[in-house]
Amino acid sequence: EAQVTQNPRYLITVTGKKLTVTCSQNMNHEYMSWYRQDPGLGLRQIYYSMNVEVTDKGDVPEGYKVSRKEKRNFPLILESPSPNQTSLYFCATQETSGSVTDTQYFGPGTRLTVL
Amino acid sequence: GNSVTQMEGPVTLSEEAFLTINCTYTATGYPSLFWYVQYPGEGLQLLLKATKADDKGSNKGFEATYRKETTSFHLEKGSVQVSDSAVYFCALSPRENSGAGSYQLTFGKGTKLSVIP
Repeated sequence: EAQVTQNPRYLITVTGKKLTVTCSQNMNHEYMSWYRQDPGLGLRQIYYSMNVEVTDKGDVPEGYKVSRKEKRNFPLILESPSPNQTSLYFCATQETSGSVTDTQYFGPGTRLTVL
Repeated sequence: GNSVTQMEGPVTLSEEAFLTINCTYTATGYPSLFWYVQYPGEGLQLLLKATKADDKGSNKGFEATYRKETTSFHLEKGSVQVSDSAVYFCALSPRENSGAGSYQLTFGKGTKLSVIP
């Protein structure tokens, strides 16, 4: 079954305590991306990766890091979380060998609260 | 830059009512247009899409037509069910062959639909 998994699903942490949200996919997709969802703002892209070792900033990259050492994994790293990073985070993947209008698959989301 | 504007919610309808959720966009060229649905506690799922003017996307009784002249992609369903209760997002991606940005989706703010029995 095609899957995008994220861990943890829920996380409450404190300001400044480094954390990592993992994303893994089993579809062998090259393209992976992180979005954050905030009320009244929809989804905004944080970072994306076109393939292993190739990452780039999206619209709201400040305060985040990513890495792409393996094709299937694309972790999101918050080195020093702050309360304004409290949000719902989604990982997404897409095949790139076909059309750009192919389906983008989303993970189930990670709800992060930074106190 | 690209942007998507969709009607604010929440929208509350009775079962079997007609649904319209308006979506308009601003983009250069000819973007591809999508509707995604987010059921409670879940990630987003592609509901339907259209890739060129006058295309009609359809799925699960939902339809949307790509109207270039009005830059719109309104979502419609003739008879909603309780199981359609969800948040609906309109989104666009740039035209093919524009590089990495082609895969970035620009989303509207979402419209929450509640269907009551």
